[in-house]
Amino acid sequence: GAVVSQHPSWVICKSGTSVKIECRSLDFQATTMFWYRQFPKQSLMLMATSNEGSKATYEQGVEKDKFLINHASLTLSTLTVTSAHPEDSSFYICSARVGDTGELFFGEGSRLTVL
Amino acid sequence: GEDVEQSLFLSVREGDSSVINCTYTDSSSTYLYWYKQEPGAGLQLLTYIFSNMDMKQDQRLTVLLNKKDKHLSLRIADTQTGDSAIYFCAETGLTGGGNKLTFGTGTQLKVEL
Repeated sequence: GAVVSQHPSWVICKSGTSVKIECRSLDFQATTMFWYRQFPKQSLMLMATSNEGSKATYEQGVEKDKFLINHASLTLSTLTVTSAHPEDSSFYICSARVGDTGELFFGEGSRLTVL
Repeated sequence: GEDVEQSLFLSVREGDSSVINCTYTDSSSTYLYWYKQEPGAGLQLLTYIFSNMDMKQDQRLTVLLNKKDKHLSLRIADTQTGDSAIYFCAETGLTGGGNKLTFGTGTQLKVEL
């Protein structure tokens, strides 16, 4: 199947700093990528839909200025957690759609710990 | 909004069958999915079923869909220790133009020797 890679897989940062997480589709072009957040022992919550060349579409309750999403190319979307605080600690997962089939391929996830 | 519910935990013995259940509320669901998540990893698509089907079999996996009751199940035959993971059901409906996946709470499957 298609491969989606995230980097870094694990990051620890101090409160107040910004952290960037990359999501790459390695063997296909993805016009649409999705960012999810997963709390411990909970399901995935869709944060935003990232569209190549345009602004991301955020889900209700997700702060746009807090979670900056950039989809600069057909193979790369980035999520920047700005001025991170301990409550932003979570597992962030991206996914990318192959064409219009509806099938999504997920990255390995990035665990963010804010001290 | 749409809601997808699963039981939180299931424990089975190796070699037995596992059945993971899921209920959903979105009557416009078009595709329903089962994903597997191993510790610290992303999600792996196991299988999916279109809403006009009531059963799909793929090797050890059998998906049953009762659209009337909005009930989806995943049966894993001859469960192995490598099947231990969290299993999420998910659905897409008409919300968000069919792009939005709504996930269940996840069922942790533990396979014991």
